[in-house]
Amino acid sequence: DAKTTQPTSMDCAEGRAANLPCNHSTISGNEYVYWYRQIHSQGPQYIIHGLKNNETNEMASLIITEDRKSSTLILPHATLRDTAVYYCIVRVVSSGGSNYKLTFGKGTLLTVNP
Amino acid sequence: GAVVSQHPSWVICKSGTSVKIECRSLDFQATTMFWYRQFPKQSLMLMATSNEGSKATYEQGVEKDKFLINHASLTLSTLTVTSAHPEDSSFYICSAEAARTGELFFGEGSRLTVL
Repeated sequence: DAKTTQPTSMDCAEGRAANLPCNHSTISGNEYVYWYRQIHSQGPQYIIHGLKNNETNEMASLIITEDRKSSTLILPHATLRDTAVYYCIVRVVSSGGSNYKLTFGKGTLLTVNP
Repeated sequence: GAVVSQHPSWVICKSGTSVKIECRSLDFQATTMFWYRQFPKQSLMLMATSNEGSKATYEQGVEKDKFLINHASLTLSTLTVTSAHPEDSSFYICSAEAARTGELFFGEGSRLTVL
């Protein structure tokens, strides 16, 4: 079973910030929060990840609550091309190979409107 | 950045035939690869986890004799759908975990249509 819960869908106006929430109340201390997005008929695209601290890259910002039970992905200036299903997942990152399952929830369909 | 390539990107086959899908990590070694199946308007469903040089671990309800997974090298895993039927038509996606860093990268997906 997926370890995260997300709203099924969200709308956002083009040019505005899109804030996508994710609950992961059973997250373990060694699990990272990862965000991917999937545009129709393509493989998931990596967006950002973090452990405890807030993170920012050229695509988005990730805000993780102090208790790590929830997080928010922020797309600062959404464009029409950001319309996609956004998945929040938690996973252990270990080098050298692992059998750690990686399961996806249903994700959030973000629709950016003109 | 790291790239995972899947081939073919789409394939159409007749019922009863077998289809092989390749997943390659192009610029890194992948000790672990994951295979997913995705039906229209649904999320990715994990089918199996494979570690290089050992047998794949299949999820409950996934027939290992029907979906053969081979992970013979650190850069290549293959999924063979044997005796394919129309209900096997789906979008198959692989992901590869970099051996050195543990980072995870996804392929572009392979769409299988069984007539």
